[in-house]
Amino acid sequence: DAGVIQSPRHEVTEMGQEVTLRCKPISGHDYLFWYRQTMMRGLELLIYFNNNVPIDDSGMPEDRFSAKMPNASFSTLKIQPSEPRDSAVYFCASSGPPGQGPYEQYFGPGTRLTVT
Amino acid sequence: KQEVTQIPAALSVPEGENLVLNCSFTDSAIYNLQWFRQDPGKGLTSLLLIQSSQREQTSGRLNASLDKSSGRSTLYIAASQPGDSATYLCALYSGAGSYQLTFGKGTKLSVIP
Repeated sequence: DAGVIQSPRHEVTEMGQEVTLRCKPISGHDYLFWYRQTMMRGLELLIYFNNNVPIDDSGMPEDRFSAKMPNASFSTLKIQPSEPRDSAVYFCASSGPPGQGPYEQYFGPGTRLTVT
Repeated sequence: KQEVTQIPAALSVPEGENLVLNCSFTDSAIYNLQWFRQDPGKGLTSLLLIQSSQREQTSGRLNASLDKSSGRSTLYIAASQPGDSATYLCALYSGAGSYQLTFGKGTKLSVIP
């Protein structure tokens, strides 16, 4: 398996523009997670899905952020409108179901977002 | 709410030294603990995972231990090499309904040749 795939790897945009980040989880994994990493706050969970359904979006900072998972092999995280404080590295991770042996998350390479 | 602390935030050692990275957590009710490595500009690579019923895991020069009663985990790196330079993060899964990992902020390790 190619692992978790994210695109783009780098995104530079101007304040006010819409940004869409994409993720393809590992085949067979039914949990998908979106994280954000900043120097100040470290890694924070934004939202996670189970079987394409959003389960916990309490980490989504505000209404400008939205995430979808239209099928088991694709998810998007959208920011509209973007602001400079959204600049961070966004990671996608996937896992199999907890309770079936060790619970381990596998991370993608991340998307480095810069909003100017 | 589970809190994870990693001290020190940065560590510099000469090549060849054995070293220990520390991770402490406030709630001992955990399902498992995972150690990750993150290279600059890269994603997270899982190094070791310890289930709550285990006390340690080993992979090559790495050994991770878990003491739930004291709320601590350590990552031991033997005979450090410059290629070990990276940020090391520990993360906990509580197993109590929410399937998120709670991360520490990491220890940035520099191994000097």
